[in-house]
Amino acid sequence: GDSVTQMEGPVTLSEEAFLTINCTYTATGYPSLFWYVQYPGEGLQLLLKATKADDKGSNKGFEATYRKETTSFHLEKGSVQVSDSAVYFCALRRIGGSNYKLTFGKGTLLTVNP
Amino acid sequence: DVKVTQSSRYLVKRTGEKVFLECVQDMDHENMFWYRQDPGLGLRLIYFSYDVKMKEKGDIPEGYSVSREKKERFSLILESASTNQTSMYLCASIGGRGPDQPQHFGDGTRLSIL
Repeated sequence: GDSVTQMEGPVTLSEEAFLTINCTYTATGYPSLFWYVQYPGEGLQLLLKATKADDKGSNKGFEATYRKETTSFHLEKGSVQVSDSAVYFCALRRIGGSNYKLTFGKGTLLTVNP
Repeated sequence: DVKVTQSSRYLVKRTGEKVFLECVQDMDHENMFWYRQDPGLGLRLIYFSYDVKMKEKGDIPEGYSVSREKKERFSLILESASTNQTSMYLCASIGGRGPDQPQHFGDGTRLSIL
């Protein structure tokens, strides 16, 4: 079945540091890939997405590129801020039929210190 | 903007009680989902519904049931609550058939079973 593996946290960085959160997936066909963010006490919000190989999703300074050859969708940000402290989830959705289910990774807690 | 509203942010119930968690979305979405979120386990799908009165089991349906009498409302029911059902519960909905359509989440209900 489908699965998503993301790096275990917690990840602790200083403000303005470079961030990478690794995400790899296993799925048949060509899934769509998503990064969601969950701020403390809130639900999940879509951060960025990519629907085909070599697509780059970007939002709020975060980027991720859909790499089919390595089945990866790593999240990066060049300079993190304290306000980026949150839990980040990588997810995939297989396309076709009426299947709109998402498969999530276990989440990575990011803490950014001033 | 899509709005997914969960009726309670925090709920405390007793073992053996029948518990109802309510979710309403305002965008006429056909597909709705219930997840539970636990530390170290990420999000796990309990049930989803792809139309009124239609439902399908997710990965962990045991001990739960659902109701979808109207398109905008999706209820999760704990038939006889147990302490191992203490968790954060998240509702989500999705509209459209495009591969880039994300799920939209509510803010979650933190449920404690005593």
